[in-house]
Amino acid sequence: QSALTQPASVSGSPGQSITISCTGTSSDVGGYNYVSWYQQHPGKAPKLMIYEVSNRPSGVSNRFSGSKSGNTASLTISGLQAEDEADYYCSSYTSSSRKVFGGGTKLTVL
Amino acid sequence: EVQLVESGGGLVQPGGSLRLSCAASGFTFSSYEMNWVRQAPGKGLEWVSYISSSGSTIYYADSVKGRFTISRDNAKNSLYLQMNSLRAEDTAVYYCARDGTSHYYPWAFDIWGQGTMVTVSS
Repeated sequence: QSALTQPASVSGSPGQSITISCTGTSSDVGGYNYVSWYQQHPGKAPKLMIYEVSNRPSGVSNRFSGSKSGNTASLTISGLQAEDEADYYCSSYTSSSRKVFGGGTKLTVL
Repeated sequence: EVQLVESGGGLVQPGGSLRLSCAASGFTFSSYEMNWVRQAPGKGLEWVSYISSSGSTIYYADSVKGRFTISRDNAKNSLYLQMNSLRAEDTAVYYCARDGTSHYYPWAFDIWGQGTMVTVSS
C-alpha cells in the first residue's frame, strides 16, 4: 500500500487561508468517505482534526474544514493563526481493510 | 481522563525482539478497536497494525507482516506489539492509537498515546 501524496510544505500569513491536498487512488481516498486529518506539533502525538472527510470532532475549531473530490481530499484552514503551525497528515481506509497515511505537510505561518 | 500510555521501547540489536505495551484508562477498552502507528525520526506516520475489540480480527502493514504480532488483554486494559526480527528500518516512535470506528469516528484514530521510542542498532 503506497502512501497518500501530500505537498511537503505550505505556508500562509496570519488571517489567510491555506489548503493541503491528499491524493490517493480509487482503492483508498476515492473509494471511501473515510478520510481523516491529523495535526502534529513537534515532539507531540498527533491529534484528530477531521474525520469522514469533512466532520470535526468536538473541540476542534471550525476554522478547519475538509472536502473530497475524486481521489483527492483536502484540508482547509481559514483565518490562519500562529498555533496552526504544525505538520498535517491525512489518512484513509483502504480496500484491503488497512489504513494508509499521507507523507505529511509542514505548515509554516509566516 | 481518557489516556493511553506506551512502554517497552529501547535499544535492540538487529535481529532482536522487543515487546511494546499500551495501558488504557478512562474508557471501556474492551469495546474499542486499537492500532499501532509508528514514526521514524524526522519522517511521517506509518500505520502498523489493527486489532478488533475482541481480538478476532487483525491486520498488518506489509512492512511488518510475519515479524510483528499485535494482541490485547481486555481484562488488563492493555494492548501489545511483539516485534521480532527487528531491522534498522523499524527504528521509530511507536504510538498506540484508539480506533473510533465503533464510536463516532469511523476509521479514524481519535486518541493517541505519547509514544515509545524503539531504536534498532548494533
